[in-house]
Amino acid sequence: EAQVTQNPRYLITVTGKKLTVTCSQNMNHEYMSWYRQDPGLGLRQIYYSMNVEVTDKGDVPEGYKVSRKEKRNFPLILESPSPNQTSLYFCASSPNRPNSPLHFGNGTRLTVT
Amino acid sequence: KQEVTQIPAALSVPEGENLVLNCSFTDSAIYNLQWFRQDPGKGLTSLLLIQSSQREQTSGRLNASLDKSSGRSTLYIAASQPGDSATYLCAVGGSTLGRLYFGRGTQLTVWP
Repeated sequence: EAQVTQNPRYLITVTGKKLTVTCSQNMNHEYMSWYRQDPGLGLRQIYYSMNVEVTDKGDVPEGYKVSRKEKRNFPLILESPSPNQTSLYFCASSPNRPNSPLHFGNGTRLTVT
Repeated sequence: KQEVTQIPAALSVPEGENLVLNCSFTDSAIYNLQWFRQDPGKGLTSLLLIQSSQREQTSGRLNASLDKSSGRSTLYIAASQPGDSATYLCAVGGSTLGRLYFGRGTQLTVWP
């Protein structure tokens, strides 16, 4: 089944403890991106990748890192999480931008205490 | 910076009504506009994608239009059903390839 898979679905952690949220797609898509969704603020883009080894900042990249070493994976890294990074995170992919629709994962709910 | 606004924020209608959801954006230099549906606890599902050179797209009971010069898009849902209840979001593909800007969504409830 064609899909975007995020792991974990739920994560509770403490301030300062490094964590990685994984994202994998099995559709050979060129483009991948990360978003966070907060009540009252909607979805905001964190980082995106047009292709392997190419990443760029979105609206809210501070406190996050990404890497795109292979086409199928695009992990989101929080080196030192803080409570203001508590949010619902989504990964998405597309065959190419801007001509194709986005496919989203089911989300990762992160709580930082 | 691109700003995307969706009106209304919430809408409650009886089954069978035709309805219109609105999306406006401040910068007309866009590549495309995409409408999504989000169900509680789930990710977003793409409904329609309109390229900047197109005026509208249709899929089943859904029709989306785009007026780039005025910075507006509408999503028309015909003969609404309870299964249409969800949050509908629009997203604008910015002039920088890869950038995407979302509205805050319209929460739709269709009651039997």
